[in-house]
Formats: sequence, structure tokens, C-alpha cells
Amino acid sequence: DGGITQSPKYLFRKEGQNVTLSCEQNLNHDAMYWYRQDPGQGLRLIYYSQIVNDFQKGDIAEGYSVSREKKESFPLTVTSAQKNPTAFYLCASSIDLSRQGVSYEQYFGPGTRLTVT
Amino acid sequence: QQQVKQSPQSLIVQKGGISIINCAYENTAFDYFPWYQQFPGKGPALLIAIRPDVSEKKEGRFTISFNKSAKQFSLHIMDSQPGDSATYFCAASFYSGGATNKLIFGTGTLLAVQP
Repeated sequence: DGGITQSPKYLFRKEGQNVTLSCEQNLNHDAMYWYRQDPGQGLRLIYYSQIVNDFQKGDIAEGYSVSREKKESFPLTVTSAQKNPTAFYLCASSIDLSRQGVSYEQYFGPGTRLTVT
Repeated sequence: QQQVKQSPQSLIVQKGGISIINCAYENTAFDYFPWYQQFPGKGPALLIAIRPDVSEKKEGRFTISFNKSAKQFSLHIMDSQPGDSATYFCAASFYSGGATNKLIFGTGTLLAVQP
């Protein structure tokens, strides 16, 4: 079964602790994305990556960090510098859009709900 | 100019009725307009998408209507069913090169279809 897995589904942390969210895909997609979802605010882009060892900040990157050491994996670290880390985090991937005639579709994982108290 | 405004915030429709969700944008460079469906506790899934070179796209009970001059697009769900109850997000993006595109999402519409 091809798809995106995110683990864990629920994560609880104390304030001041860094936490890393896992995202793995076996779709052979080049591009990967991290979004944050808050009630009434839609999805907002945190970081994205076009290729291994390359990533760019999205609209709300402050307090987050990522790495892309393998094509299949794009972990997100929520640092203690993130002021309001409690949210639903979604990972997505897409085909390399520089190829001719490909779909722009982004495929989403099931999400991780992070609660920080 | 990067915003996508979505309305209504919530919608209640009777089974068999038509659900209509609207979105508006400002950036005329947007060239891809998808609609995503999300069930509680799940990730969004692409429902249907349209490019600005067509005014309408239909897939089963789902139709996107696109008005380029008004910079608006809408999702119509015909013969709405209780299983359609979910949150719907519109989005927009423009491709500026490279492997990725940045999707700008609307704030979502919570649809409840009553039996």
C-alpha cells in the first residue's frame, strides 16, 4: 500500500520540551510539505522540501525545524521557541512538478495531534 | 493578495439537497484550484481540482464552477448525502518553477447533511 504515514497519532509534551514528528512516504515523491491546522484557520505551510538535503521556510516557520536526509522521510521538530505548539500537524507530498504534465495534487498523511501543557 | 476567502464557515443541508461552498481570491497568477475533503481526525484528500482555462469541471456529484473575471470559484455537491458530512477546504496555487507548489488554503467549511 502506497501512502504517507505519520506517527504518533497523538503526542503530549510539557512546555519547554522539543518534540519531533515523523513523516514517511513510499510514493517515491520528490516534494514534501509540513502544514499546521488550527480550528477556523485552515492549513498553513510550515516548511517544504523539493529534494534531499534541501528545504525552504513556509509562511509560519518560526519555532520549527526540519531535515531531509532521505527522500522518504521529512521529520518536523517543534522547538520550545514555538509560542503556541498545540495543533494538528499534517505532512504532505507531491510529484516533482517540474516534470511535464504532472498533477499538482498534494497527498496528505493522517496527521499528528500535538498537545503541549 | 495571497489569501483565499472561503464561505460559509458552516453549512447544514438536507439529504438530497445541493451544497454550495464559495471561494474568492485576489492573486491572478493562481493557476490551480483544488478542493479538499477532510473527515474528523484524518488528513485532507483531494476531491476535485480545476485550472483557469475551463469554467466548469464535474466529477460525479461534485462540480467546480470557476469565474475567472470575478476571481471566484465554488464547489457544488449535488444530491448531498450524510456521508458527505465533512470539512471542505478550497485552495489555490501558482507554479513558479522547481519541484513544489505552495497551496494557499481557505479557512474551511463544515458541512452537515441531515438525513
